[in-house]
Amino acid sequence: EPEVTQTPSHQVTQMGQEVILRCVPISNHLYFYWYRQILGQKVEFLVSFYNNEISEKSEIFDDQFSVERPDGSNFTLKIRSTKLEDSAMYFCASSESLAFGEDYGYTFGSGTRLTVV
Amino acid sequence: QQQVKQSPQSLIVQKGGISIINCAYENTAFDYFPWYQQFPGKGPALLIAIRPDVSEKKEGRFTISFNKSAKQFSLHIMDSQPGDSATYFCAAGPSNTGNQFYFGTGTSLTVIP
Repeated sequence: EPEVTQTPSHQVTQMGQEVILRCVPISNHLYFYWYRQILGQKVEFLVSFYNNEISEKSEIFDDQFSVERPDGSNFTLKIRSTKLEDSAMYFCASSESLAFGEDYGYTFGSGTRLTVV
Repeated sequence: QQQVKQSPQSLIVQKGGISIINCAYENTAFDYFPWYQQFPGKGPALLIAIRPDVSEKKEGRFTISFNKSAKQFSLHIMDSQPGDSATYFCAAGPSNTGNQFYFGTGTSLTVIP
């Protein structure tokens, strides 16, 4: 079964440093998303991306965050200057279309655990 | 404003019992209500989903009940098994725009053998 692949699985960074989280969405999917989950809390939407531009972003996704699809396969989330409160599990997701049905929707990756120290 | 409220936060059920997790949503424009299952160290995986034109959907031991007028939906796991032990998230959102889904806070289910 096709998977969304995220690397690294765990990253530790110092406060103020830049991090790039990488995702390889499912190959025929056109819509890409980043969500995050602070430990023990709900999954929160960050951004959606289609046709090489941001479709929607949440208030969490401020100027410190950016996304990019640098080539035909990767989808990256960059945090320019990390803060302690950025520590979370970051999930990439992709979908084939905008239409979600009973048997299809997002496919999530396994996540990158970001720890800011 | 919390768009989706989920309860309980944790649930312990005996093997063979019924697990019930409830969610309520705010926005009447939402028309897609998925449930995700998450095992430790893994991303959420789509378990079952429902559209508001039906009141119930069943897949194996998993059933979603949907009450449009009350803006509530629930997940029932019949004959719960230890392998069902996971965190379950409900979500709600539009089905055809790709805009964000709103997730509940999750329910940690433990099924005791």
